[in-house]
Order: sequence, then C-alpha cells, then structure tokens
Amino acid sequence: GIQVEQSPPDLILQEGANSTLRCNFSDSVNNLQWFHQNPWGQLINLFYIPSGTKQNGRLSATTVATERYSLLYISSSQTTDSGVYFCAVGQGAQKLVFGQGTRLTINP
Amino acid sequence: DAGVIQSPRHEVTEMGQEVTLRCKPISGHDYLFWYRQTMMRGLELLIYFNNNVPIDDSGMPEDRFSAKMPNASFSTLKIQPSEPRDSAVYFCASSLARFRNYGYTFGSGTRLTVV
Repeated sequence: GIQVEQSPPDLILQEGANSTLRCNFSDSVNNLQWFHQNPWGQLINLFYIPSGTKQNGRLSATTVATERYSLLYISSSQTTDSGVYFCAVGQGAQKLVFGQGTRLTINP
Repeated sequence: DAGVIQSPRHEVTEMGQEVTLRCKPISGHDYLFWYRQTMMRGLELLIYFNNNVPIDDSGMPEDRFSAKMPNASFSTLKIQPSEPRDSAVYFCASSLARFRNYGYTFGSGTRLTVV
C-alpha cells in the first residue's frame, strides 16, 4: 500500500518563528489533507490540497503531486499552534492513509 | 451544524464485556469512516461506508469487531468481547464527495480503556 513519511518527527520553536513541515508519499494520489491534532486530542482539518497552493491566515500548504510531496508552512507561530500535524493521502473519496505526524511545540 | 458527534467520550470496561461506540455524521455527508489511534500504530482505518453501505472493512482487526450504519445519520462500532489490547482512541469522520472536495471532518473521539 501507499507509504506516507512526514518530517521532521519533532520540532521545537519559539513563539514568532516560522516552520515548514514536509510530507512525502510513495504513489500518485488525488486526495491529500493536512490535520492538526491539538493537545486535547481533537483532529482539525486544515487543508484539502491534492495539488497547488492554498492559504488560510498564517497557514499555507503546497502540494506538488508529480513529485509526490506536500509542504505545510506555519508563519509567526503561536503557542496555540502546538500539537501534532498529520498528512493523509488517498484516492478520491476512499480511505486516507495517515503519516506518523510531526509533533510541534511552540514555547512562549 | 453540530459537526460529527461521538459518544461516549470515555469508556472504561472490563475485559470480556461488550462495548458499543456511536457516531452521528454531519447531515448530508455520504461517507463515514471509523479510525483507531494508538501510540504504536498511529491512525489506522478500520472500516468505511458510502451511502450506508460498508465498502472496505479490511482494517477491522478480527471478528470481535463489527460496524453498522442502519441509516444516514447513525453508525455503531461494536467490540465483543473486548480485550486490553483494544484500548485506544476511536475516531469517526464523515465527508461529502461532491464537487471532488473530499475533506474529512472528525468527531471528538471515544477514549476506550479495557482493564
């Protein structure tokens, strides 16, 4: 099956810093989503981005489907950005395969 | 919309007991997914439904697990008998496959502890 690799596994930053999270996948996909799992365990959908670039406030994401990777950018980090960020990929409306996540810690 | 609603939020049960987890998807969504999250295995798909019909249950660990979706607004995941290794957070998610935007919405999860 398809493999999803996220890097780095852990990232510790000071408030105000910028960060880039990467997601590599092993096969062609037409469904790619980024999620944030907050410290209370809630999974929040950040982006549905099978290709191209999207922005939402301080967050943006870019997927280059032909090269099988996606990037999540977080600018001017806040402590509320802490948590685990997951990339998940799949085909169409079918099941998503999740990566192991990047644990982001933002210190005040 | 109230989002995806799961119940109970926490469940503690003894080994051998039957456990039933419940999920109400977002109204109008046509896909429903059950995922399990553990430290060792991360987020793994158990089963998913399209228009109330099970499509892929290859992730269901064994015959002790069963899932149903009797109508568009309700699904259950049952474990009988439960074992300590079933302890995990179980998430339900729904999506609407229209206009090719397949974004998932997750519920808050059920934390299951089997002792």
